[in-house]
Amino acid sequence: GEDVEQSLFLSVREGDSSVINCTYTDSSSTYLYWYKQEPGAGLQLLTYIFSNMDMKQDQRLTVLLNKKDKHLSLRIADTQTGDSAIYFCAETRFSGGYNKLIFGAGTRLAVHP
Amino acid sequence: DVKVTQSSRYLVKRTGEKVFLECVQDMDHENMFWYRQDPGLGLRLIYFSYDVKMKEKGDIPEGYSVSREKKERFSLILESASTNQTSMYLCASSFPSQSEQFFGPGTRLTVL
Repeated sequence: GEDVEQSLFLSVREGDSSVINCTYTDSSSTYLYWYKQEPGAGLQLLTYIFSNMDMKQDQRLTVLLNKKDKHLSLRIADTQTGDSAIYFCAETRFSGGYNKLIFGAGTRLAVHP
Repeated sequence: DVKVTQSSRYLVKRTGEKVFLECVQDMDHENMFWYRQDPGLGLRLIYFSYDVKMKEKGDIPEGYSVSREKKERFSLILESASTNQTSMYLCASSFPSQSEQFFGPGTRLTVL
């Protein structure tokens, strides 16, 4: 299909790991991104992975990329209440002569005590 | 510290009004973008600009126009606002060689 797909909601207990999944469509995407949106705010870049990598780790964040299945995941270790936000995955897509970002619908992560 | 600012955080307008949403970036980025964000739909690209006075339609340009008279400023115009344009509007910018985009805080527009 044309869409970048994510599940809409995820609820986890504080201290547990969160895994947010995403499937994308363009096998030629050079970068794949995870953005975080806190309530009432714009999007901030959380992390990204280059398409020739399988995994990237950055402190509590681990990004896994399965190019064969076009599947991207974001794991947050030791999830905290401050991690409650909407998480968007995005792929780069070359269209009409320009590089564009195509976003998923966003996964709302709720962290409860 | 990179910065993208938007003129209003919240805006309430009436059906039929002309609405201007302003975006300014201080990073000397060539590319600028306007998205709208709706629950369950994510971000959808309205228009983008890759240079001063240049513009390209995104995925949902109907009912919108844009203006880029200066490199740092990109304006989104709703010629005659309608209730289905009630949404969160996000501006972003980037260098042309990079796909990473930097976002403003958003403008929540309500059209009554």
